[in-house]
Amino acid sequence: DAKTTQPNSMESNEEEPVHLPCNHSTISGTDYIHWYRQLPSQGPEYVIHGLTSNVNNRMASLAIAEDRKSSTLILHRATLRDAAVYYCILRRRDNYGQNFVFGPGTRLSVLP
Amino acid sequence: DADVTQTPRNRITKTGKRIMLECSQTKGHDRMYWYRQDPGLGLRLIYYSFDVKDINKGEISDGYSVSRQAQAKFSLSLESAIPNQTALYFCATSPGGGSQPQHFGDGTRLSIL
Repeated sequence: DAKTTQPNSMESNEEEPVHLPCNHSTISGTDYIHWYRQLPSQGPEYVIHGLTSNVNNRMASLAIAEDRKSSTLILHRATLRDAAVYYCILRRRDNYGQNFVFGPGTRLSVLP
Repeated sequence: DADVTQTPRNRITKTGKRIMLECSQTKGHDRMYWYRQDPGLGLRLIYYSFDVKDINKGEISDGYSVSRQAQAKFSLSLESAIPNQTALYFCATSPGGGSQPQHFGDGTRLSIL
């Protein structure tokens, strides 16, 4: 699976939008872009995923660049509960071998 | 009740002991995974199983073994524990296919003295 690059940490104020970037310049045409987050003392939690088009769900939005070499996870109104480590991961559509590779992720701090 | 349940949640043991970590799921997924997480790092894959008869090594399988007793159960064993296996261990499941998300348990914190 192709690699991703994320900032080590970011900070946001409560109730403001947060844009978490991810670079994946070696992405292939069949790679899905997945986002997970890990709250303290918990396992990773699925947030959202997409292939080419922007995606929205109740937790967040995923904006995918036209060339797919980068993406942005958007939290529309950050809450204290959104403080977590966010992981951006690529996953091949037809992957039956190696699996999710979780890098260090981005540690998001939310200030009250 | 949690969809992916790991037992025990915490374990402290001594070097050389055999340890088993258990994972059970109620999601009906075929695929199950074991990861370990060390402080400040992401998760690394230990073993994965795509069905009851299928077991595959991951990135860091040395010193570990697994057993898929049923579709819903996947256990991880440390045959002779050593201190550098002290870590947080996660079990995950997925329904299959590269586009499908994984669902994680809350982890087992293992300390080996």
